[in-house]
Amino acid sequence: AQKVTQAQTEISVVEKEDVTLDCVYETRDTTYYLFWYKQPPSGELVFLIRRNSFDEQNEISGRYSWNFQKSTSSFNFTITASQVVDSAVYFCALSEATGNQFYFGTGTSLTVIP
Amino acid sequence: ETGVTQTPRHLVMGMTNKKSLKCEQHLGHNAMYWYKQSAKKPLELMFVYNFKEQTENNSVPSRFSPECPNSSHLFLHLHTLQPEDSALYLCASSQDLKLREAFFGQGTRLTVV
Repeated sequence: AQKVTQAQTEISVVEKEDVTLDCVYETRDTTYYLFWYKQPPSGELVFLIRRNSFDEQNEISGRYSWNFQKSTSSFNFTITASQVVDSAVYFCALSEATGNQFYFGTGTSLTVIP
Repeated sequence: ETGVTQTPRHLVMGMTNKKSLKCEQHLGHNAMYWYKQSAKKPLELMFVYNFKEQTENNSVPSRFSPECPNSSHLFLHLHTLQPEDSALYLCASSQDLKLREAFFGQGTRLTVV
């Protein structure tokens, strides 16, 4: 079973629209970390955020915000007032206290249309 | 600039060739990783090194051979590859093995012909 599910394969929005990228995870560990990465066309994965399992407080960073809900095992990512530069593939990932690897979702390709 | 540099950025090789991918990190991290990214698939972890010691090999075929001479450098030696090995190979590093964000390089786009 996949540990991280990103059901949205591709999303297109018009510039200035808000968009939410969904992420659902699965783990039996009580201690774990969740991540979001951005992969622009240049290829590298850019770290955006890390949340630990004990901190459900939502976080806002500029136009980015994250909604972590343990009750639904979700860690959704919202971009407010999207811009063309936000066009990229976004990956959600999970790291468990046991084991030593990241589990990545299949990614959501976001296209922001000017 | 993420502090993780991969070379070359693009590589085309024949199935009988031998080539190597190089990764270098300037972040003082102790753990380094090789990931494979194929189209429409999740990133696949290939190898993990911690303090130069290999700690994980995710059932990777022997035609991929990693080498970690020190904590700052990681190589992936390639020989007799198959066309299905064509993918983006990403190197990453992190402070330690657990609970830390990983920093990724820009990847090497490999095409096997």
